[in-house]
Amino acid sequence: ILNVEQSPQSLHVQEGDSTNFTCSFPSSNFYALHWYRWETAKSPEALFVMTLNGDEKKKGRISATLNTKEGYSYLYIKGSQPEDSATYLCAFQSNAGGTSYGKLTFGQGTILTVHP
Amino acid sequence: ETGVTQTPRHLVMGMTNKKSLKCEQHLGHNAMYWYKQSAKKPLELMFVYNFKEQTENNSVPSRFSPECPNSSHLFLHLHTLQPEDSALYLCASSPYPGLAITGELFFGEGSRLTVL
Repeated sequence: ILNVEQSPQSLHVQEGDSTNFTCSFPSSNFYALHWYRWETAKSPEALFVMTLNGDEKKKGRISATLNTKEGYSYLYIKGSQPEDSATYLCAFQSNAGGTSYGKLTFGQGTILTVHP
Repeated sequence: ETGVTQTPRHLVMGMTNKKSLKCEQHLGHNAMYWYKQSAKKPLELMFVYNFKEQTENNSVPSRFSPECPNSSHLFLHLHTLQPEDSALYLCASSPYPGLAITGELFFGEGSRLTVL
């Protein structure tokens, strides 16, 4: 059973604060690490798919880093806005062969609330 | 709007009922997925279909019966469910089987199922 852990479970910040949260995943059989953003009553939406150790990706005020050797990824939000309030999910994609290839194992998510 | 539509959005059923969840994607993708999210648990993969063929059944009880008549439609037939099956059921699609070429998942908004 693959273990994907996210911390913290929930986070409350004030508008304008910068914040970050962590995803820990197995350091073996790594293929990719996905980040999704899930707003209440909407569908989860992909933010980043990261494949290379040391990769950094950025989309607007949101960025992510990846360390495959130690098995963690950080998601950063600079200058949080109320519209950033959502659950942020990470998912580990294994390179194990056969039918398990491509399966995503999700973490429980970090619930971010940004207060005006 | 992700191009993945799920109906119904909410469903209440008794333990002896038979009902179905429907998913349709307008993205021309070749892989479709059912995920389940129970309260306070991570998203859990149930089934994967690639080019209409089931390639993954994640030890799902037989009271859940998937059907994929073509690459654009996916159903989840529900029969004799238990109250603990109450959850959010999410459909997703991806361009390629096995998430090859690091394809991301495109999710629907989910069907919230309550079993009485």
